[in-house]
Amino acid sequence: GNSVTQMEGPVTLSEEAFLTINCTYTATGYPSLFWYVQYPGEGLQLLLKATKADDKGSNKGFEATYRKETTSFHLEKGSVQVSDSAVYFCALFKAAGNKLTFGGGTRVLVKP
Amino acid sequence: EPEVTQTPSHQVTQMGQEVILRCVPISNHLYFYWYRQILGQKVEFLVSFYNNEISEKSEIFDDQFSVERPDGSNFTLKIRSTKLEDSAMYFCASSATSGNPHEQFFGPGTRLTVL
Repeated sequence: GNSVTQMEGPVTLSEEAFLTINCTYTATGYPSLFWYVQYPGEGLQLLLKATKADDKGSNKGFEATYRKETTSFHLEKGSVQVSDSAVYFCALFKAAGNKLTFGGGTRVLVKP
Repeated sequence: EPEVTQTPSHQVTQMGQEVILRCVPISNHLYFYWYRQILGQKVEFLVSFYNNEISEKSEIFDDQFSVERPDGSNFTLKIRSTKLEDSAMYFCASSATSGNPHEQFFGPGTRLTVL
């Protein structure tokens, strides 16, 4: 079946540091890939998405590229802020099944 | 900006009691979902719903669970006889279309605590 694996946290960074969160997936065919963010005490918000190989999703300074050859969708941000402290979830969607499959989440803590 | 809303934000219940979690999806959306997140664990799919029927459900979604769209706006999740292990954050989501690309919008969640 489909699955998503992402690096375990917590990831602790200083402000303005570079952030990478690794995400790999297992799925047949061509899933759509997503990153969701969960700020403390809040629900899940879509951060960015990519629907086909080599697509790059971007939003709020975050980027992720859909790599079919390595089945990966790593999240990056060049200069993090304290306000980026949150839990980040990688997820895939396949139309057959009509559901999102989430990774375990990575908690990111950015210190001033 | 339209958003998914959920009530209550926190529900405390005794084991064996029935609970109903409520969601108001985005108004022009056609697909509805429930997910849950046990504290510290990953977000898990429970059920998807379209055209007044369940389109997909997970192993978690057993006979104790049911969903309903009682009117044109609400989407509910009922747990008939709650167990301790049902304690979790329950998220409702909705989307406008199925297929690729597919974007689900999530509500803020209902934290269910079963004592």
